[in-house]
Amino acid sequence: EVQLVESGGGLVQPGGSLRLSCAASGFAFSGYWMSWVRQAPGKGPEWVANIKQDGSEKYYVGSVKGRFTISRDNANDSLYLQMSSLRAEDTAVYYCVRAPPTISSLLGDSWGQGTLVIVSS
Amino acid sequence: DIVMTQSPDSLAVSLGERATINCKSSQSVLYSSNNKNYLAWYQQKPGQPPKMLIYWASTRESGVPDRFSGSGSGTDFTLTISSLQAEDVAVYYCQEYYIHPPTFGQGTKLELK
Repeated sequence: EVQLVESGGGLVQPGGSLRLSCAASGFAFSGYWMSWVRQAPGKGPEWVANIKQDGSEKYYVGSVKGRFTISRDNANDSLYLQMSSLRAEDTAVYYCVRAPPTISSLLGDSWGQGTLVIVSS
Repeated sequence: DIVMTQSPDSLAVSLGERATINCKSSQSVLYSSNNKNYLAWYQQKPGQPPKMLIYWASTRESGVPDRFSGSGSGTDFTLTISSLQAEDVAVYYCQEYYIHPPTFGQGTKLELK
């Protein structure tokens, strides 16, 4: 069974930093594009970033470029999102998402339960 | 970025009746070289993450009941639930994956009448 378990969320002050982690299991992690998708309270999802299987390609939504960094550790089946210069508008549940391998790197066929990030003073 | 607009924002349907949700993209998501529409539909129940139902506008994900169907091309798409079941109460989102960044609609809340 595919499992994606996020951790690292919490309350942080504006301008602060946070590192999210995602532990993957039940599938060959190194063979999949992975993404972070966030969802603010009462809003639709927003794709944040994704990373290729070997980490050689990374893409970000414009609003987080230069502030967030996606990375992965295939030896430990883990995905990360380093977030800095956090703003109130970054407040959301952050989901770790697996892309279906033969369809598109921009889709999500498996999602974690999410970790909540609150940016507030 | 492509803007995805769904209608209606909310919808109340009786058990066994048909539910129809619309999604419009600000530009075409039909890729001419392969004639595929880069459009997906997700279902999100309270307290749960989104679940992918349909991709390529009309291809059902494995395990999705056949009462769910997708149609449309170019900029206009529809998700149809042919006979609403109680477990279908949820928020539904369309998503384009034609270009970076992929974008989602604002959601349509489906309730029981």
